[in-house]
Amino acid sequence: GENVEQHPSTLSVQEGDSAVIKCTYSDSASNYFPWYKQELGKRPQLIIDIRSNVGEKKDQRIAVTLNKTAKHFSLHITETQPEDSAVYFCAASLPGYSTLTFGKGTMLLVSP
Amino acid sequence: SQTIHQWPATLVQPVGSPLSLECTVEGTSNPNLYWYRQAAGRGLQLLFYSVGIGQISSEVPQNLSASRPQDRQFILSSKKLLLSDSGFYLCASDDRGKYNEQFFGPGTRLTVL
Repeated sequence: GENVEQHPSTLSVQEGDSAVIKCTYSDSASNYFPWYKQELGKRPQLIIDIRSNVGEKKDQRIAVTLNKTAKHFSLHITETQPEDSAVYFCAASLPGYSTLTFGKGTMLLVSP
Repeated sequence: SQTIHQWPATLVQPVGSPLSLECTVEGTSNPNLYWYRQAAGRGLQLLFYSVGIGQISSEVPQNLSASRPQDRQFILSSKKLLLSDSGFYLCASDDRGKYNEQFFGPGTRLTVL
């Protein structure tokens, strides 16, 4: 089955800096890669996703890049703000399967 | 857009007691439904998923079970709770029309004492 590794487990940045979270996946057939943000005590929220037919997708301050050859994808947050502080999860899914395989999460702390 | 309801929001139960958590979905039909568990400070563990009424797939063998009596209703149960069952239980749904985009309910925080 699919395996997703996520790094780093914690990331501390100053407000205004950029943050990058990286994930690798094991099955080259995976074709869907979402990112979720989970604030303390809340549900995970889908913030951006990418499919294997594109290499990059951007939505305001967040972007996701995908390198199919290397089997890794990354979340980029620019101009970080304290409200970006949360746990971020990456995930991958194989075609024809509805289940997502999640990474273990990255706790992002943005200091004012 | 779909809305996912879960209840109760919080629950404190003694070891050995039964459990029933309910999830209902609005705004979509024939969704795939999921139960996840999240231990404190940990990741998301998929427990069960269902692609239709009466169809349940188990990802992790344990003392929990799931049922889907109606298209938009998903129930998580246990006959006897263990201390290790404590956690944040999340129901999720994806709309088959928008392949793979899973959305989560508000969750139930279960403490087993």
